[in-house]
Order: sequence, then structure tokens, then C-alpha cells
Amino acid sequence: KQEVTQIPAALSVPEGENLVLNCSFTDSAIYNLQWFRQDPGKGLTSLLLIQSSQREQTSGRLNASLDKSSGRSTLYIAASQPGDSATYLCAVLNSGNTPLVFGKGTRLSVIA
Amino acid sequence: DAMVIQNPRYQVTQFGKPVTLSCSQTLNHNVMYWYQQKSSQAPKLLFHYYDKDFNNEADTPDNFQSRRPNTSFCFLDIRSPGLGDAAMYLCATSRGGRGNTEAFFGQGTRLTVV
Repeated sequence: KQEVTQIPAALSVPEGENLVLNCSFTDSAIYNLQWFRQDPGKGLTSLLLIQSSQREQTSGRLNASLDKSSGRSTLYIAASQPGDSATYLCAVLNSGNTPLVFGKGTRLSVIA
Repeated sequence: DAMVIQNPRYQVTQFGKPVTLSCSQTLNHNVMYWYQQKSSQAPKLLFHYYDKDFNNEADTPDNFQSRRPNTSFCFLDIRSPGLGDAAMYLCATSRGGRGNTEAFFGQGTRLTVV
């Protein structure tokens, strides 16, 4: 059974810092991995999708990497801003017809 | 424009009174999911549809039912809500199959049981 772990559970950084959020998964035979952002009381916003054949994806200040063999992904946020404060969730898909399996998320606070 | 729309955003229901949450999508995706999320926890899958094929998670309580009358709409029915069912309910869609299977979520429905 696929299990997804995110470390740390919470992170507080000053504005302007670069930071890395970690995600690990137990079954490396994944189809893709997706990073989401969730603001308090809101739904999930998709940030980046990495297919199993890809090593990384970039969108603006965000860069997500994938190392399938070691069961790890990282989300790199450059030059953090207070508006980046949210919970970041990692989820994996084992096949095109199976549901996403989520980690518990990392709650990020960026202090002005 | 919102692609996955959940209604209502906030729902208050009485203990034991049936309640229905709705989800609609404009993406024409094959797969629709219902997740339950409690505070500071990962979303927990309740069930999902691949087209009309219904897949119920083993630990989803019988109290929870779902309907998907067509591609665009999916409903979550809670027959007799208990206090423990208070949570955020998230609907998501994806294309399924092979290729780009990116999942898209609605804004969620916050359910309060009084």
C-alpha cells in the first residue's frame, strides 16, 4: 500500500529565503506526482505535476524534482514571500486509474 | 473560470438530518473523486468514479453514498450525519487512463453538524 510522508510538518521562514519541502513515498512504481497548495478553509490548487518519466518541473519561483528510485520529491520555493504562506501537499498516483494518495502536508509560514 | 465547482461552500446540518453536497465539472474528465479532510490531516478518499464505474474505499462508512448521474455532476449524500462527519469535503477530477492525469480540485464544502 502506497504511503506518502512529508517533512517537516511545519516550517517558518523569514521573507526572501529559499526553502525546500520534502515528500517521500514507499512504492516507487508511481505514474506521476503532484504538488498542491491549500489555503486555510479552501480547496487544493495544483502547483506542479511531474510525470514518472520526468526529473523536474518548474513554474515561476517553484521547482519540483522527482527521484523515483529513492522514492523522493522536493518542492523548492525561491525568494519566499508572505503570500506563499499555506499548506503544501504532495500526492502520488500509482496508475492512471487509481486515486491520488496524499501526504499530510507541510504548513509554511513566511514572515515579513 | 472555475473548472470544478462545489456547492454549497458552507453547509450546516443537524445531527441525523440527511445532507447532499454537489460537485460539477466543465473539464469533461472521466474520473471524479470525493475526499474528506479533517483539520491538519491529509485528504482521505471516500470513493471515486471512473466514468460510471463506482469504487468505494473499504473504510468508507455506509452512511456515505454517492451518485454520478452524468459526466459533469457528482453528489455526496450523507444519510445520517454525526458529529464526527464534520469536515471539509473535497471533490476532484482527472482525465484518467494514460497521458496527463493532473487532478483538479474544487474549493470544498465545509460541513458543520450541530
